[in-house]
Amino acid sequence: EVQLLESGGGLVQPGGSLRLSCAASGFTFSSYAMTWVRQAPGKGLECVSAISGSGGSTDYADSVKGRFTISRDNSKNTLYLQMNSLRVEDTAVYYCAKALSNYRSGFDPWGQGTLVTVSS
Amino acid sequence: QSALTQPASVSGSPGQSITISCTGTSSDVGGYKYVSWYQQHPGKAPKLMIYEVSNRPSGVSNRFSGSKSGNTASLTISGLQAEDEADYYCTSYTSTTTHVFGGGTKLTVL
Repeated sequence: EVQLLESGGGLVQPGGSLRLSCAASGFTFSSYAMTWVRQAPGKGLECVSAISGSGGSTDYADSVKGRFTISRDNSKNTLYLQMNSLRVEDTAVYYCAKALSNYRSGFDPWGQGTLVTVSS
Repeated sequence: QSALTQPASVSGSPGQSITISCTGTSSDVGGYKYVSWYQQHPGKAPKLMIYEVSNRPSGVSNRFSGSKSGNTASLTISGLQAEDEADYYCTSYTSTTTHVFGGGTKLTVL
């Protein structure tokens, strides 16, 4: 069974940093692209960042470009999101999700999410 | 990148069919077969219901179907059941960034 377990969320002040982790199991991690999707309280979904299976290709939403860095450690089956210069508007539940065999096709499954709150 | 356009809410009675639209541009929905749909119950993670416009993952009821015409994709749920009440999001691969989501549609089963 494919499982994704996020961790690392919490309360941080504006301008601060946080690193999210997503531990994966039940599939050959290095064979699949992965993504981070966030959901602000009461709002819709936003694809924040994505990374190829090898880690050699990454993509970011304009809203986080230059502040967030996605990475992965295929030896540890873990996905990361380093978030710097955090803003109040970054407050959201952050989900990691596994891409389908064709990255463009969609994401399945998703983790349970980790809440990031940016507030003074 | 602007979000895809979905109706804020739709409703239907048990047993009826409903359709949720998702309108984008030629740079996303209209340009690719990579439209997917997700169901999200309150407090839960999204669940993939449809991928590549009209394909259902294993385990998803055949009451869910997808289609696309031009820049608009659609999700149809037939034989509505109480458990279908949830938020539904469309998403499309785009030429400009990774994926763009719709704003979400709240489905109410009357």
